[in-house]
Amino acid sequence: QKEVEQNSGPLSVPEGAIASLNCTYSDRGSQSFFWYRQYSGKSPELIMFIYSNGDKEDGRFTAQLNKASQYVSLLIRDSQPSDSATYLCAVRDSNYQLIWGAGTKLIIKP
Amino acid sequence: DAMVIQNPRYQVTQFGKPVTLSCSQTLNHNVMYWYQQKSSQAPKLLFHYYDKDFNNEADTPDNFQSRRPNTSFCFLDIRSPGLGDAAMYLCATSPGPGDQETQYFGPGTRLLVL
Repeated sequence: QKEVEQNSGPLSVPEGAIASLNCTYSDRGSQSFFWYRQYSGKSPELIMFIYSNGDKEDGRFTAQLNKASQYVSLLIRDSQPSDSATYLCAVRDSNYQLIWGAGTKLIIKP
Repeated sequence: DAMVIQNPRYQVTQFGKPVTLSCSQTLNHNVMYWYQQKSSQAPKLLFHYYDKDFNNEADTPDNFQSRRPNTSFCFLDIRSPGLGDAAMYLCATSPGPGDQETQYFGPGTRLLVL
């Protein structure tokens, strides 16, 4: 059973600090990795995707991928109260199936 | 603006009473998906269509059916809803298969079963 694991949280971070969200996956053949944000009662919204080892930056968001360790993370710099949401990690495995994590709830405290 | 639209946003039905949820898209994407998501859980894929090719997930109950009459529309039919079917139902689309495809979600339909 291919799995994507996330700490359910909640992760509490002070406003202005860096929030670090982590995700591990079991299928070593996975090729692409996605971070979605989901506000309570709303649908998931794509934040970033990453395919290559290393860092990818988009504004306040940085995705980090380490395929050797089967680990992908999302950093949010200068965290704002509006960043409070559940962050879902999704991994496209070697069979092109999208495997979802259950999400990490992030709370940014003013 | 190109988008994924779901109707209704909220649906209340009675135990065993059939219900149909709809999804439409103006993105002209080839692939459409139906997910079920319960509170604090990962989205669970029920079906997807690549064009008209229907793909049923192995563990999707027979109580759930889907139709895609054309590129723009897709329907989810729940033939005899049970209390355990209360959830958010998410429709998503993507351009086509491949590593770099991303999925774009509609706003969801929250189903309540009484």
